[in-house]
Amino acid sequence: DAKTTQPPSMDCAEGRAANLPCNHSTISGNEYVYWYRQIHSQGPQYIIHGLKNNETNEMASLIITEDRKSSTLILPHATLRDTAVYYCIVRSGTSYGKLTFGQGTILTVHP
Amino acid sequence: DAGVTQSPTHLIKTRGQQVTLRCSPKSGHDTVSWYQQALGQGPQFIFQYYEEEERQRGNFPDRFSGHQFPNYSSELNVNALLLGDSALYLCASSTGSGSITDTQYFGPGTRLTVL
Repeated sequence: DAKTTQPPSMDCAEGRAANLPCNHSTISGNEYVYWYRQIHSQGPQYIIHGLKNNETNEMASLIITEDRKSSTLILPHATLRDTAVYYCIVRSGTSYGKLTFGQGTILTVHP
Repeated sequence: DAGVTQSPTHLIKTRGQQVTLRCSPKSGHDTVSWYQQALGQGPQFIFQYYEEEERQRGNFPDRFSGHQFPNYSSELNVNALLLGDSALYLCASSTGSGSITDTQYFGPGTRLTVL
């Protein structure tokens, strides 16, 4: 699976958009980008995934660059409950269930 | 619709003991994966069970073993516990298709402390 690079921490004001970047410059054509988040001492929560097109669901939007070497997770109106560690994961078709987590980004949403 | 459940929530053991952790998958899911998360680290893949067999395994010693039952629930067993086995153990379930878009959903985890 391709390696990902994320900033260790980010801050965001409540009500503003949180934009979390992820670099995956070695991604292959058949690999998907997945995002999970983990609120303190809880299990990781699935957020969204995509291949090359932008994706949106009720939680967030995922923007993948045209060359697919980076992506951005957007939480449009961050709340205090969005404070968590956010993990960007690149997943290949050969990995079956294996998710390879990095260190993630600690997002802190301030009042 | 119940999500992934794990038991117990917390567990304290001493070095050399054995421990069994349990996981019930989300309704409709037939595949269970186990992860270990040390303090301050991301989860690390231990293994995955599908059709009652270990389908894939991460870089963990044989002290870590598992089992899947016909109702798709699963157990993680760790023998000869070491202090370094202290961690949050996470279970994730999925549909088992093996597809790259087969999303995993995680349980709340079991916190194991080895003294």
